[in-house]
Amino acid sequence: EVKLVESGGGLVQPGRSLKLSCAASGFSFNDYWMGWVRQAPGKGLEWIGEINQDSSTINYTPSLKDKFTISRDNAQNTLYLQMSKLGSEDTAIYYCARGTSFAYWGQGTLVTVSS
Amino acid sequence: DIQMTQSPSLLSASVGDRVTINCKASQNINKYLNWYQQKLGEAPKLLIYNTNNLQTGIPSRFSGSGSGTDYTLTISSLQPEDFGTYFCFQHNSWPWTFGGGTKLELK
Repeated sequence: EVKLVESGGGLVQPGRSLKLSCAASGFSFNDYWMGWVRQAPGKGLEWIGEINQDSSTINYTPSLKDKFTISRDNAQNTLYLQMSKLGSEDTAIYYCARGTSFAYWGQGTLVTVSS
Repeated sequence: DIQMTQSPSLLSASVGDRVTINCKASQNINKYLNWYQQKLGEAPKLLIYNTNNLQTGIPSRFSGSGSGTDYTLTISSLQPEDFGTYFCFQHNSWPWTFGGGTKLELK
């Protein structure tokens, strides 16, 4: 069974950094692109970016490129999202998803940016 | 960036109705269009990929069509479990982008 489990969310102060993790199981992690999507409370979905199998290609939505960094550890079957200079606009549920079609999603982890 | 415009944003329908949701891209996306369903408090679920391919396990009452800039999701006979919010998503040109969503509610 394909399983994606995000962790690392929580309450963080404005201007601080946070690193999210996505633990994958049930499939060959190093065979797939992986991506991150977020959803602000009551809002739609926003594609953050994605990373290819060997980390040689990483794409971001332009507005987040200077704040967020996507990485992966194939030995640990884990995807990461490093977020810096967080602001209230970054308050959202953060989902990881598999492949370019996002056929599988994690349950999400909530990040709240507030003082 | 390619803008994805969904219509309507809110759709009221009854069980058994045939419903269509539209998605218009700001430029040709070569059928690289997916549809997702999201229920309250849950992660999105892939329904249709690349315009008209039904994801495994999705009922055949869901179908997709379109080309160029215009795409449609059709539910042939609405079931109680189909209510929720639907999003289109283009993966033809980076950055990939989602539509704003269509909330399908019970009339």
